[in-house]
Amino acid sequence: SQQGEEDPQALSIQEGENATMNCSYKTSINNLQWYRQNSGRGLVHLILIRSNEREKHSGRLRVTLDTSKKSSSLLITASRAADTASYFCATDFGNTGKLIFGQGTTLQVKP
Amino acid sequence: GAVVSQHPSWVICKSGTSVKIECRSLDFQATTMFWYRQFPKQSLMLMATSNEGSKATYEQGVEKDKFLINHASLTLSTLTVTSAHPEDSSFYICSYKGFSSSYNSPLHFGNGTRLTVT
Repeated sequence: SQQGEEDPQALSIQEGENATMNCSYKTSINNLQWYRQNSGRGLVHLILIRSNEREKHSGRLRVTLDTSKKSSSLLITASRAADTASYFCATDFGNTGKLIFGQGTTLQVKP
Repeated sequence: GAVVSQHPSWVICKSGTSVKIECRSLDFQATTMFWYRQFPKQSLMLMATSNEGSKATYEQGVEKDKFLINHASLTLSTLTVTSAHPEDSSFYICSYKGFSSSYNSPLHFGNGTRLTVT
C-alpha cells in the first residue's frame, strides 16, 4: 500500500485564503517532499524537509513535519488561482532514493 | 533546475503493439532513475528503479517482461511497453536523481507520456 496518505482529497477555496494539506506516512523516513502537478503534466518539486527538521518555509509555502506522529502538513498562504493543481507528499526512506507518493490533494482556487 | 525531456508526450497505439518512451536528462548526469505510472485522478505508483549500466529493479506486481527498461547512459533511459493492452493505458512519468545527489535531494521529473491503447 502507499506509504503516504493525504487529506483532504479535494479542497476548494477562494483566492487569498490559505490552503492546508496533510500527509501521514508509515515508516521512518530520510526526508519528506512535496510536489505539485498541473493537470496532465509532470511533477514539480516544491519543498523538501529532512527528518531532523520540524518546519521549513519557501515563499508562500510552509511545511511542518512531526516524526513522532509520522505526519506533515503543507500550508499555502494567500492562495492564487494559479495554485490550482494537485499536491503530493512523497517520502524518501531506505537507501535507494526512491520516493513513495501519497494519494494527493486536488486544490482548486477560485478567482 | 535540472531539465528532463520525456518523449512522446502522448501516444495512441493498437492493442498488441509495442511503444517506446524516452527520457533524457538535458543538463546533468543521472545515475539513478525511476519510472512511475499514474491512473486518472490517482497517485503515482513506482514501477521500477534502474541504475546506469545495470538491470532495473521492478516493484512487486510490475511485469519486467512487459515493461522493458533500458538505462543505456547517464542521460538516456527508455521504457518499452510490449504487447500493449487497453489496461496499460496510463500516464507514464520518468524521474532522475542527479549524479552528485545525496538521498536528501529531490527528483527531477519529465512531463509524462499519456499512453492510450485501443
